[in-house]
Amino acid sequence: DAKTTQPNSMESNEEEPVHLPCNHSTISGTDYIHWYRQLPSQGPEYVIHGLTSNVNNRMASLAIAEDRKSSTLILHRATLRDAAVYYCIRPNNNDMRFGAGTRLTVKP
Amino acid sequence: NAGVTQTPKFQVLKTGQSMTLQCAQDMNHEYMSWYRQDPGMGLRLIHYSVGAGITDQGEVPNGYNVSRSTTEDFPLRLLSAAPSQTSVYFCASSDRVGEKLFFGSGTQLSVL
Repeated sequence: DAKTTQPNSMESNEEEPVHLPCNHSTISGTDYIHWYRQLPSQGPEYVIHGLTSNVNNRMASLAIAEDRKSSTLILHRATLRDAAVYYCIRPNNNDMRFGAGTRLTVKP
Repeated sequence: NAGVTQTPKFQVLKTGQSMTLQCAQDMNHEYMSWYRQDPGMGLRLIHYSVGAGITDQGEVPNGYNVSRSTTEDFPLRLLSAAPSQTSVYFCASSDRVGEKLFFGSGTQLSVL
C-alpha cells in the first residue's frame, strides 16, 4: 500500500507546462511528500520534496494543497528528456514505498 | 563521494543457487533499503534498515534476507533463487527515513 494515488499515464506537448497530480488523503502532519522520476532504462532519481508550502528547484515546482491531501508536480516547460515515470511518495511508518507512478509521454 | 554502489551490475543464476547482492554507501546514511522492479512495473520494497543492527520487512520480503552490521553496508541475500526473482534490484539510502533517497545504479538479475 503506497498510500498515494496517481493517474497511470499523462501526455504533454513539448515546451508546454505539465501538472502531475497526486492524492495522499491519509498523510500525517509531519510526513514529507516526495517526487521521484525514472527515465527509461535508468534508476529512480530525486525530483523534489516538501511539507506544507510550495517548493521550487531547478527541475520542478511542487504545489501542496492547503489541507495536504493532494499535491501537484509542475514541470514548467516539458522537454522530450522529461519523458519518464513519475512517482509520488510519502513515508509509510518507517519505509518509503513506491506505487506504479504516472507515465509521462512528451510529444514533439 | 561515490554515493550508493551496487555490485554486481549483472548476474545470471540457476534455480536453487544462492547469492548476495552488495550495497554500500559512503554518505553515513542511517536509512537503507532494497527494491525490486519487474519489467514494466513500479518499484516494490523488499527490506529496509533504519540503522546498524536494525532491519525490517517491506512489501515483498519472502525469499530474501538482509543484515546491517555496519552503517555503510546493506547486503541482500537470495537464499534459493527462483525464476520469479528475475528482476532489477535497486538499493537506496537516505540520511533518515523520509529524507531524500539516493539510488544505486541497479543489479539486473536473471534466474534460469
